[in-house]
Amino acid sequence: AQSVAQPEDQVNVAEGNPLTVKCTYSVSGNPYLFWYVQYPNRGLQFLLKYITGDNLVKGSYGFEAEFNKSQTSFHLKKPSALVSDSALYFCAVRDRAPYNTDKLIFGTGTRLQVFP
Amino acid sequence: DAGVIQSPRHEVTEMGQEVTLRCKPISGHNSLFWYRQTMMRGLELLIYFNNNVPIDDSGMPEDRFSAKMPNASFSTLKIQPSEPRDSAVYFCASSPYDRDFYQPQHFGDGTRLSIL
Repeated sequence: AQSVAQPEDQVNVAEGNPLTVKCTYSVSGNPYLFWYVQYPNRGLQFLLKYITGDNLVKGSYGFEAEFNKSQTSFHLKKPSALVSDSALYFCAVRDRAPYNTDKLIFGTGTRLQVFP
Repeated sequence: DAGVIQSPRHEVTEMGQEVTLRCKPISGHNSLFWYRQTMMRGLELLIYFNNNVPIDDSGMPEDRFSAKMPNASFSTLKIQPSEPRDSAVYFCASSPYDRDFYQPQHFGDGTRLSIL
């Protein structure tokens, strides 16, 4: 079965410092991977996706993610964090069993706190 | 683009009452998803439709829950009778049809449901 794991419940970082939010995946076949962000009292918003091609994917708000097949990881990164980046971040993988669907399997979420 | 519209935004009712949540997907989107989010269980997919047809309802918790999509621009999620453990934020999301199934989902801002 397809799955993603977000090993950190919370990540704390100072404003201006680089940030990383971790995600590992387990899939059969080629993975379709996504990152979403959720601000308080809002729905999830799409940040970026990896389907194929370059291992470094660029997305919204200056975020990027690095696909690493050997480590089965898809970590979210940003070179310089902003206080406004504080939110809940979800990693997701497209479900592919028993047939190709457009269901997403979401991780448990990582709360990012950026301190001034 | 008006986005996915959910109503009501907040609902407070007593246990045993019928609750109906509504969703208007983005025009032209062929897939519609209902999710439930709680602190304890995270984000759960309840049911999803493609071209108004329910494709996977394996996440619907029990017979008290039902969902319909009578046309491409409207869906409802009904709970009858409601129980306090149904209290959660319910999200609707839609995505455009894509044969390769990797278009991102667009989320509404949710309905916060409290069952007393």
